[in-house]
Amino acid sequence: EVQLVQSGAEVKKPGESLKISCKGSGYNFPNYWIAWVRQMPGKGLEWMGIIYPGDSDTRYSPSFQGQVIISADKSINTAYLQWSTLKASDTAMYYCARPAYETNGYPPPLDSWGQGTLVTVSS
Amino acid sequence: DIQMTQSPSTLSASVGDRVTITCRASQTIRNKLAWYQQKPGKAPNLLIFDASSLQSGVPSRFSGSGFGTEFTLTISSLQPDDFATFYCQQYNSYSQTFGQGTKVEIK
Repeated sequence: EVQLVQSGAEVKKPGESLKISCKGSGYNFPNYWIAWVRQMPGKGLEWMGIIYPGDSDTRYSPSFQGQVIISADKSINTAYLQWSTLKASDTAMYYCARPAYETNGYPPPLDSWGQGTLVTVSS
Repeated sequence: DIQMTQSPSTLSASVGDRVTITCRASQTIRNKLAWYQQKPGKAPNLLIFDASSLQSGVPSRFSGSGFGTEFTLTISSLQPDDFATFYCQQYNSYSQTFGQGTKVEIK
């Protein structure tokens, strides 16, 4: 069974750093892209970026380029999303998700999702 | 970046109604369009990929159509379990985008 298990909820202060994780199991982790999706409170889905763990090829939405870093450690089947300086506007639910099939071309649509990590940034 | 625009933003309908949601891309995306359903407090669920292919396990009352820049999601007969928010997503590039969502409410 394919599973993506994300790290737990975080409460941070503005200016702090943070790294959240997404551990995959039940499939060949290096061969599937992992995407990160933001959902701010009461708002829609925003595609942040994606990484191919096999070679760490990483692509970002222009809206998130330079704001976050996406990385992966294929030796432990885990992808990461990190911030160096959090802002209150980073308060959101963050989902990781895996596409429906293997490819190292354009990432396919997302059919397996983590449970989400709620990040709250407040002074 | 490719912009995706959904309409309407909110839709009020009754059980048994036929419902159509539209998604427009700012440039051609061929058939690289997916539809998702999201219920409150849950992760999204993939319904349709490649504009018109039904994801395994998704009821046949859901269907998709379109090519290029104009796409539709149709629910042939709305069921109580279908009240949710629906999103389109383009994946015709390495930088992908979602529409802003369409909330289907009970009339």
